[in-house]
Amino acid sequence: GESVGLHLPTLSVQEGDNSIINCAYSNSASDYFIWYKQESGKGPQFIIDIRSNMDKRQGQRVTVLLNKTVKHLSLQIAATQPGDSAVYFCAESNTGTASKLTFGTGTRLQVTL
Amino acid sequence: DAGVIQSPRHEVTEMGQEVTLRCKPISGHNSLFWYRQTMMRGLELLIYFNNNVPIDDSGMPEDRFSAKMPNASFSTLKIQPSEPRDSAVYFCASSLGLAGEFFGPGTRLTVL
Repeated sequence: GESVGLHLPTLSVQEGDNSIINCAYSNSASDYFIWYKQESGKGPQFIIDIRSNMDKRQGQRVTVLLNKTVKHLSLQIAATQPGDSAVYFCAESNTGTASKLTFGTGTRLQVTL
Repeated sequence: DAGVIQSPRHEVTEMGQEVTLRCKPISGHNSLFWYRQTMMRGLELLIYFNNNVPIDDSGMPEDRFSAKMPNASFSTLKIQPSEPRDSAVYFCASSLGLAGEFFGPGTRLTVL
């Protein structure tokens, strides 16, 4: 049959607004989560991580929220800038399996001027 | 620190040829990962090493793929013989313990 490429969900945000990117994970045993940013032609870049004993962690302009009850992770970017345009991946792992990460399919963030 | 170093950055080869991708992890990191990224399948973990020992190679597509890590500062991913469906961007990443993985710039492989 015909193969279909991955269809990345796209989030369009106006410059200066806040962005929220969501991720649902599947493994209830996952206890470590990371958000990555991948710009065109580059490798994924570590943004922020969170462990399962926390439900919120803040970095510079970014906040990660973890809801273990519904297995949901979100990345909030404050005052979104054109340089934030990229594909964002969440990744999860069970640290009992020697730090092996499982990546989501990604969300494309487009920042409009 | 220079980060994870990969070579070559681009490789174009003909079907049937052997391809060797190289990676130098970040100094001090004890885990190394090889990933493949395509539009069709996204980012896939092929194999990872911990303290130079292969831990999980279940992502390696078939026997044509092999990976080695002879020492803490060098790893190779070899494809022999290469096929057009191997065309992808191959990333190497390294980490220290439970820290997040740091990715290299990738090698874009095109097999004609």
